[in-house]
Amino acid sequence: SYVLTQPPSVSVAPGQTAEITCGGKNIRNKSVHWYQQKPGQAPVLVVYDDSDRPSEIPERFSGSNSGNTATLTISRVEAGDEADYYCQVWDINSDQYVFGPGTKVTVL
Amino acid sequence: QAQLQESGPGLVKPSETLSLTCNVSGVSIYSFYWNWIRQPPGKGPEWIGSVYYTGSTNYNPSLKSRITMSIDTSKNQLSLSLRSVTAADTAVYFCARLQLGIRTFDIWGQGTMVTVSS
Repeated sequence: SYVLTQPPSVSVAPGQTAEITCGGKNIRNKSVHWYQQKPGQAPVLVVYDDSDRPSEIPERFSGSNSGNTATLTISRVEAGDEADYYCQVWDINSDQYVFGPGTKVTVL
Repeated sequence: QAQLQESGPGLVKPSETLSLTCNVSGVSIYSFYWNWIRQPPGKGPEWIGSVYYTGSTNYNPSLKSRITMSIDTSKNQLSLSLRSVTAADTAVYFCARLQLGIRTFDIWGQGTMVTVSS
């Protein structure tokens, strides 16, 4: 089955930029989605189809996908962005939905 | 607005069957795929499977031999059964709606914690 990798943690100062990566074989050929999850809550979609945002998500959240790595970028980081972030893809070959292990973003 | 609410026992004994339901309100249960997703403590989500309003299912191969998912359109309710549970099945279990066009999970329930322990 398809495997996604993420760094366990990323630390960033307020106002700076956080980049969270999601690795997978030829991931550029898949649509990558990103979720934010705060403690005790369900995941919330923040980016879909590599780089699109639901209307309620701030423009500070953006995404890209190239080669074997997709990236979620959070610009002008705020304290409220502290959360776990998960990437997710649909593996068309197996018709399975796969999540990454998650990255904990800490705002210093 | 759309709401999903999971319910079921919080504690299940090893080797027994875990049974959960998810009530769907504020949105049509038709024309969508409805999913179960679980998240062990401190780990990422794991997709369990999906069920269409017709009753058609698609399961995660790693769990396929132990799970049954069903849907009751008259009650706007989903069901999950997971047989022969072990401690590894301890997790928060979510139900979620799949947006088929973009293959994302756009509406989630709050989740229900299930612990497998004697």
